[in-house]
Amino acid sequence: SQTIHQWPATLVQPVGSPLSLECTVEGTSNPNLYWYRQAAGRGLQLLFYSVGIGQISSEVPQNLSASRPQDRQFILSSKKLLLSDSGFYLCALLAGETDTQYFGPGTRLTVL
Amino acid sequence: ELKVEQNPLFLSMQEGKNYTIYCNYSTTSDRLYWYRQDPGKSLESLFVLLSNGAVKQEGRLMASLDTKARLSTLHITAAVHDLSATYFCAVDESGEGNEKLTFGTGTRLTIIP
Repeated sequence: SQTIHQWPATLVQPVGSPLSLECTVEGTSNPNLYWYRQAAGRGLQLLFYSVGIGQISSEVPQNLSASRPQDRQFILSSKKLLLSDSGFYLCALLAGETDTQYFGPGTRLTVL
Repeated sequence: ELKVEQNPLFLSMQEGKNYTIYCNYSTTSDRLYWYRQDPGKSLESLFVLLSNGAVKQEGRLMASLDTKARLSTLHITAAVHDLSATYFCAVDESGEGNEKLTFGTGTRLTIIP
């Protein structure tokens, strides 16, 4: 079965600082991978998805970017964080016969 | 733009009672997912509904899909405290299961002893 790791689990960063969140998966090859953000008390917003190495689709214009340097690694980055970037960031992969998205444990980001 | 609406947004119910959460969506799709989220935690997959009339059941939860009405329901039978969580429905607009999901706003369910 597949496993999703996200690092770090929590992060507190000042406004204007850079960001790098990592998602790695095990137990599968060439998965579709997704980055979502959940603002406090809200639903999920799809940020990026990737169908393979170097292939990134962006869903929402913002100061975030994503990269997929390896088959099982998906990275979310920012050069300068904004207060509005605070939230719970979830990585997901597509798996199974029913093409279900399974979510990692998440990274809780607070921008001060 | 696909819109997914859930109601109610908040639901408090007593243990042992039955209730239904509704998920309406604005475009044709025959692929809908239900997830559960405990406070401070990630999302857990509950059900995948892949065709009109699909019904899935797990314990005290039962989900159904009516693609013609663009409606899915999550029915809770004889609620117990352990079911307290936020429930999300999500729709795959492509219908192919390999692209983006649009999530509903979530229903925060609280089971009162």
